[in-house]
Amino acid sequence: GAGVSQSPSNKVTEKGKDVELRCDPISGHTALYWYRQSLGQGLEFLIYFQGNSAPDKSGLPSDRFSAERTGGSVSTLTIQRTQQEDSAVYLCASSRYRDTDTQYFGPGTRLTVL
Amino acid sequence: AQSVAQPEDQVNVAEGNPLTVKCTYSVSGNPYLFWYVQYPNRGLQFLLKYITGDNLVKGSYGFEAEFNKSQTSFHLKKPSALVSDSALYFCAVRDKNTGGFKTIFGAGTRLFVKA
Repeated sequence: GAGVSQSPSNKVTEKGKDVELRCDPISGHTALYWYRQSLGQGLEFLIYFQGNSAPDKSGLPSDRFSAERTGGSVSTLTIQRTQQEDSAVYLCASSRYRDTDTQYFGPGTRLTVL
Repeated sequence: AQSVAQPEDQVNVAEGNPLTVKCTYSVSGNPYLFWYVQYPNRGLQFLLKYITGDNLVKGSYGFEAEFNKSQTSFHLKKPSALVSDSALYFCAVRDKNTGGFKTIFGAGTRLFVKA
């Protein structure tokens, strides 16, 4: 079946602009996660959604970052007033419904802020 | 708070030799532990996980990992390395008691297997 998809695959923007990154999880997966992978760094947890529960936003680095998940499926990560340090690969993952379930990752969106 | 340490940025091993990629963790409760691999130009893939039960967990591609509660470690191992195992490996932890779905990843260890 289809895996996790993300769009765009690449995004180049100018400092100060807003960007939206999209994630389509695997159908039927109730949990959705966003991570950031900076060059030479590990995966930094940003936020996760699980079913109808309030999202865990504890990893968002600043109030310029926000995410929403509509209808329990597609998610959008928005970065306002982008800064050069926001340049990274943004990864989305989804998993079924238990906290023991494996995460399936999308290919990522490479964001470059000039 | 959950945390994961992968003390080695890079591990070099000759093909056919055993390999170990180290991981230690810190959680307030009981851990769920995971290993993921990122091959060049490919997405992150699941390798194996420890949830409960046997401390030795077997996963994909001949990899295994041993959960050691007293040492808070979950080292990844393979008896005989292949050149194709060269990749970036991530250890990850969830706190069963408090963290739910929140998953913390280590910084990653790059494995080079030389022919």
